[in-house]
Amino acid sequence: SAVISQKPSRDICQRGTSLTIQCQVDSQVTMMFWYRQQPGQSLTLIATANQGSEATYESGFVIDKFPISRPNLTFSTLTVSNMSPEDSSIYLCSVGSGYEQFFGPGTRLTVL
Amino acid sequence: DQQVKQNSPSLSVQEGRISILNCDYTNSMFDYFLWYKKYPAEGPTFLISISSIKDKNEDGRFTVFLNKSAKHLSLHIVPSQPGDSAVYFCAARDSGAGSYQLTFGKGTKLSVIP
Repeated sequence: SAVISQKPSRDICQRGTSLTIQCQVDSQVTMMFWYRQQPGQSLTLIATANQGSEATYESGFVIDKFPISRPNLTFSTLTVSNMSPEDSSIYLCSVGSGYEQFFGPGTRLTVL
Repeated sequence: DQQVKQNSPSLSVQEGRISILNCDYTNSMFDYFLWYKKYPAEGPTFLISISSIKDKNEDGRFTVFLNKSAKHLSLHIVPSQPGDSAVYFCAARDSGAGSYQLTFGKGTKLSVIP
């Protein structure tokens, strides 16, 4: 298993601003994933972040809105840009493979 | 279109009894299924999984059953304990997509009543 931490744990932001969420893993991992869970909805994969390459985004998510950095094998950031109330969600990072993924505690974002 | 469905948003069970959480899927390419448990303010934690080549997997109090013909799986918890109270997510892997692609259901909130 992996121990994953996220910062911040929660935030309240004004519309039009941006927030960067940090994800730190206690071991080196090849792939890191960013998910979003909107209220009452399932976890939805935003993108996959590999170290040293551009993140791969899922349908419906674009780099301009959710830029991702992956500077090394233990760290990644997700930025939620130009926020609107519809971006209010829990954002989670995870590591692993399709056989098993380990999740961070999540960042609860509220956009006013 | 939701490919993994958990039709019961909530379930209440008496302590000591069996909890049965259900999950249906539509994608025939799903070849691996996982259950996650989530407590408030925490990330989901892996609970148990099953490959599509099996119809049952057991781990202590937790058993997952897979019915491929019905595209249905269920998680049984016996006996249920108050600490099992959490949201349970069903997830599936698409063998046709990247090996990391997991599709999640919306979750079922289980309440175990002492």
